[in-house]
Amino acid sequence: DTAVSQTPKYLVTQMGNDKSIKCEQNLGHDTMYWYKQDSKKFLKIMFSYNNKELIINETVPNRFSPKSPDKAHLNLHINSLELGDSAVYFCASSQDFLNTQYFGPGTRLTVL
Amino acid sequence: AQSVTQLDSQVPVFEEAPVELRCNYSSSVSVYLFWYVQYPNQGLQLLLKYLSGSTLVKSINGFEAEFNKSQTSFHLRKPSVHISDTAEYFCAVRTRSGNTPLVFGKGTRLSVIA
Repeated sequence: DTAVSQTPKYLVTQMGNDKSIKCEQNLGHDTMYWYKQDSKKFLKIMFSYNNKELIINETVPNRFSPKSPDKAHLNLHINSLELGDSAVYFCASSQDFLNTQYFGPGTRLTVL
Repeated sequence: AQSVTQLDSQVPVFEEAPVELRCNYSSSVSVYLFWYVQYPNQGLQLLLKYLSGSTLVKSINGFEAEFNKSQTSFHLRKPSVHISDTAEYFCAVRTRSGNTPLVFGKGTRLSVIA
């Protein structure tokens, strides 16, 4: 049983394209997150949603737009992709902000 | 704001030897502390956490970490490592209240050598 799943696992695309990454959790959690892990393995929070409401929005270009259609899903849409967007993007969820976060397997995005 | 420093980016160690991965944090308020492990090509998994109570916390696979408030540290230790422990280890911190995110260190790559 996959707790936090992401699709696709790999995404290779050209600069300037628009792409989406999907995330779903079946844990019944109220809070979901997107993290970016750069080539040096540094992991940084991008967004967090609680009950479909945006709670945390770190300094991220507005080309990145999260969308939460329901509590179990938090998708990440990226417009006008740039080379610097190449990274591994992790989705995570937790019961609330104070509880343990469970991570998805990651999506490796490569922008050519 | 909180910050986490993992002093060693890479730690090579022979199988069955002990290991310590260092983590220091900075925060003006009380925090929770975590260690996550990332095996090759996988997502992060929680290894152990300190929330309150005993300052020594243990995982099911032999790792332990001790919260030291005076030294603002949360070092991870294992008395005898296995090849399967080869992974990236991340220390993380978050405040005890409010909707604040986890702040991660830059990770330590543990390589266990046969």
